[in-house]
Amino acid sequence: GAVVSQHPSWVICKSGTSVKIECRSLDFQATTMFWYRQFPKQSLMLMATSNEGSKATYEQGVEKDKFLINHASLTLSTLTVTSAHPEDSSFYICSAPPRTGVTDTQYFGPGTRLTVL
Amino acid sequence: EDQVTQSPEALRLQEGESSSLNCSYTVSGLRGLFWYRQDPGKGPEFLFTLYSAGEEKEKERLKATLTKKESFLHITAPKPEDSATYLCAVQGGDNNDMRFGAGTRLTVKP
Repeated sequence: GAVVSQHPSWVICKSGTSVKIECRSLDFQATTMFWYRQFPKQSLMLMATSNEGSKATYEQGVEKDKFLINHASLTLSTLTVTSAHPEDSSFYICSAPPRTGVTDTQYFGPGTRLTVL
Repeated sequence: EDQVTQSPEALRLQEGESSSLNCSYTVSGLRGLFWYRQDPGKGPEFLFTLYSAGEEKEKERLKATLTKKESFLHITAPKPEDSATYLCAVQGGDNNDMRFGAGTRLTVKP
């Protein structure tokens, strides 16, 4: 199957700092990528849809000014958590469908564990 | 609004004890129902995609089935390495994103 990578795999930061998480599609091009957040023992909650070359679409209740998404190329999307606070500590996972506009399987990255002190 | 409900929340089986996990869904215009396996601290690993009622897919000890209202993931003679959280997700309408259920945490004891 298609491979999606994330970097870093884990990060610890101080409250008030910003953290950038990268999501890369390694063997296919992804015009769309999705960002999810997962709290302990809970399921994945969609945060936003990242579109190459255009603005991201955010789910209701997700602050677009706090979670900045940039999809600058067909293989890279970044999520920046600005002015992070302890409540932002979570497992952030990205995914991408290998084909656009067609119902298809999404392949997930390994996730990034963010801990804000 | 799309909704996905998985049951049970947790399931403990003895090795070799077959069982089924349920995923009930409400979606406008189902385009696909997906099963994923997630190990602790890792991203979901793709298992199956089902597109229409009556469809079935198998992989090793797992078999997924689909009706118009729900999907089942049958596990035959499970092994301890099958222990994981199994997630169900749906994709519907014009959306390419997925809506996930809360998952079933499966534990298989040797």
